[in-house]
Amino acid sequence: KAGVTQTPRYLIKTRGQQVTLSCSPISGHRSVSWYQQTPGQGLQFLFEYFSETQRNKGNFPGRFSGRQFSNSRSEMNVSTLELGDSALYLCASSLGTSGGLFQETQYFGPGTRLLVL
Amino acid sequence: AQKVTQAQTEISVVEKEDVTLDCVYETRDTTYYLFWYKQPPSGELVFLIRRNSFDEQNEISGRYSWNFQKSTSSFNFTITASQVVDSAVYFCALSGSQGNLIFGKGTKLSVKP
Repeated sequence: KAGVTQTPRYLIKTRGQQVTLSCSPISGHRSVSWYQQTPGQGLQFLFEYFSETQRNKGNFPGRFSGRQFSNSRSEMNVSTLELGDSALYLCASSLGTSGGLFQETQYFGPGTRLLVL
Repeated sequence: AQKVTQAQTEISVVEKEDVTLDCVYETRDTTYYLFWYKQPPSGELVFLIRRNSFDEQNEISGRYSWNFQKSTSSFNFTITASQVVDSAVYFCALSGSQGNLIFGKGTKLSVKP
């Protein structure tokens, strides 16, 4: 089975621009989560999508948004980029069950490295 | 509040040494899951193990072993006879009440030949 794929792998943007990152989950997985990794804050949860609905959300400003399509692929958007948004953005997929993300193993993609200048 | 602490920021060992990575967690939940992930320089987080709070049996997988002690809220990871390919950052994580993973800050392991 193919793993989680993320595109693009690297991205350079300037302050004020917006960016869209894409994630394709493992085949058959219905839940997609996004995490931000920075040297200072470590790995932080952004949000989770299941069946095209945002099921959980972390503590990030509204500039960070996402969506999920009917084929479970997900996109994450960051508007009005700030220097502090420079990070590795990791997408993770899991089976997605009614029991919730809580008890599932999340499998991660290679990430998108975003640099904001 | 839920929290994961990995007190060791960096560890350096020589190949074939055994090494233990510590993980201490805090949660008020009675049911929870603990995880270990490996992050090589490429950036991808590689899943190593999942353990639920009701299963305190230690687990061994090849050179890897995990020691879960609920009494001390610890979930330590030991690599036996370390190899250069084990060099990576290792993260311990706890499944939060929303299902998201709460990660420790990670331990960078360097295995020198």
